[in-house]
This record gives sequence, C-alpha cells and structure tokens, in this order.
Amino acid sequence: GDSVTQMEGPVTLSEEAFLTINCTYTATGYPSLFWYVQYPGEGLQLLLKATKADDKGSNKGFEATYRKETTSFHLEKGSVQVSDSAVYFCALLTSGGSYIPTFGRGTSLIVHP
Amino acid sequence: EPEVTQTPSHQVTQMGQEVILRCVPISNHLYFYWYRQILGQKVEFLVSFYNNEISEKSEIFDDQFSVERPDGSNFTLKIRSTKLEDSAMYFCASREQGASEKLFFGSGTQLSVL
Repeated sequence: GDSVTQMEGPVTLSEEAFLTINCTYTATGYPSLFWYVQYPGEGLQLLLKATKADDKGSNKGFEATYRKETTSFHLEKGSVQVSDSAVYFCALLTSGGSYIPTFGRGTSLIVHP
Repeated sequence: EPEVTQTPSHQVTQMGQEVILRCVPISNHLYFYWYRQILGQKVEFLVSFYNNEISEKSEIFDDQFSVERPDGSNFTLKIRSTKLEDSAMYFCASREQGASEKLFFGSGTQLSVL
C-alpha cells in the first residue's frame, strides 16, 4: 500500500540556517505530493504541493521537488526563522480512487534565535 | 480564514468508558475525515464521511468506532469501550466539494486512556 517515510526529529537549527527535511514515498501509480505544517496549538495546514514528476512546489520560502527517480519530496528552506518552528508532515494522494491522503509521522523543527 | 474546530483539546478517560470527540468542520465543506496519530507514529486514516454516510474506512475503524453528523454543523467520533491503545491525538479534517486537494484540519483532541 501507499506509505510515506519522513526523517525523525526533532530537527534543531539556528536562525538563518539551511533546512532539509527528508521524505520518501511508496505508491501505486503517480501520486500528488504535499507538505503540511502544524504550528503550535493549530491544525495541520497545507504548505505546498506538487502533482507530477519534476514539479517544484513552493510557499513561504519553502520548496520541495517531486523526484520520481528517487521517490522523494524533500522539504528545503534556505534561511529558517524562529517562526518556522512547527511540525512538518509529508503526504501523498494517489489519483483515480478514494480521496484519502496518506501521511508520514511528522518531523518537528525547532529554530533557535 | 475559516477553520475546523475540535473539542475538547484534551480528554482523559478510564479504560472501558465511552468518549465522544467533537468537530465543527468549515461550514461549506462536504467531506469530513477523522485521522489519528499515536505518539511517535504516522498519522493514520480512520474514516471519511460524505452525504451523511461513511464513504471509506480503514481497518482500524472497527465496531468500536462510529461517526455521526447529528446536525448541520457538528461531526462526531464515538469510541466505545476505550482501550489503552486508543490513546492518541485525533484529528478532524474537512474539504470542499470538487477537485480541491486541500484538507483543512482541526488542532486535534489528545485522548488519554488510563
């Protein structure tokens, strides 16, 4: 079945550091890929998405590229801020069936001033 | 921005008791979901609901669980005879009609079964 594997956290960085959170997936067919973010005390919210191979999703300085050859969708940001501290969830959705996104376990990011 | 509201934020119960977790989805959304996350594990799909009936459910969602939309605004998850392993964060989500891929999530209910 479909699955998403994320790197374990927490990831702890200083402000302005470069961020990478790894995500790999297993899916039948050609999924759409997503990153959701959960800020403290809030619900998960969609951060960015990519719907086909080599697409790059971007939002709020975050980027992720859909790599079909490595079945990956790593999240990156060039310079993190304290306000980026949150839990980041990678997810996939396969087409043609039920609309049930599959999520990873989430990776906690802590950014220190 | 409109949001999904879940209550309570924390629920503590004794093993064997029944709990009801409540959600108010975004008002014009038609598809509703429950997911859960056991500490340290993946976010797992439980059930989806559309047009006043269950559209899909996972193998986790057995006879112990039920969902209901008792009125035009609430969407509830009932867990009967709770077990220790039901302890988890439960997330409600909703999305609008059409091809939107965007789910809107509540902030979750942390259920602790003692």
